[in-house]
Amino acid sequence: KNEVEQSPQNLTAQEGEFITINCSYSVGISALHWLQQHPGGGIVSLFMLSSGKKKHGRLIATINIQEKHSSLHITASHPRDSAVYICAVSRAQKLVFGQGTRLTINP
Amino acid sequence: NAGVMQNPRHLVRRRGQEARLRCSPMKGHSHVYWYRQLPEEGLKFMVYLQKENIIDESGMPKERFSAEFPKEGPSILRIQQVVRGDSAAYFCASSPGAANEKLFFGSGTQLSVL
Repeated sequence: KNEVEQSPQNLTAQEGEFITINCSYSVGISALHWLQQHPGGGIVSLFMLSSGKKKHGRLIATINIQEKHSSLHITASHPRDSAVYICAVSRAQKLVFGQGTRLTINP
Repeated sequence: NAGVMQNPRHLVRRRGQEARLRCSPMKGHSHVYWYRQLPEEGLKFMVYLQKENIIDESGMPKERFSAEFPKEGPSILRIQQVVRGDSAAYFCASSPGAANEKLFFGSGTQLSVL
């Protein structure tokens, strides 16, 4: 079993829909990161959080430390949100990554 | 303030050749991380360096792979005697401090071994 599990692996939705991607981890962490990997391969860090909730534009990330679970939400999704979203946890100064969720938003 | 710069973007090598991948961190960042993404797989940690020091290389294959981050110049990931299984995307990230700070990623180097 991977230390970091994401669900779903693939998600297709229509423009405007509310999107939720989940991440569960099985080990103690110092922080959790949400990353976005574009079709061209570049990686952008969206959030780093260790408790509570963060919001940036249409993106919201939450974490429940007791349940070892985090969610990434996208409101009013748009085709430009199509990408792979990766959850990663910080352990001992390195990141352990989930397998990613491939999101496709259709117009 | 330029972001994390990796070069080359694409590198083609024949089996047995050497591959050198370069990473210039963001200005003011002294922590560099290398990650590998094999085809159809997730990202995997390789090595964590600070200036002139390897802090954690637990993700590096024991043979043929080495990394450095000299006092001056970019961080280098070196792969000797490449094999087809080394074909992957190699990403570098930097941060101003320790790993529980936000990371800034480069665009990656796609290594193809023929």
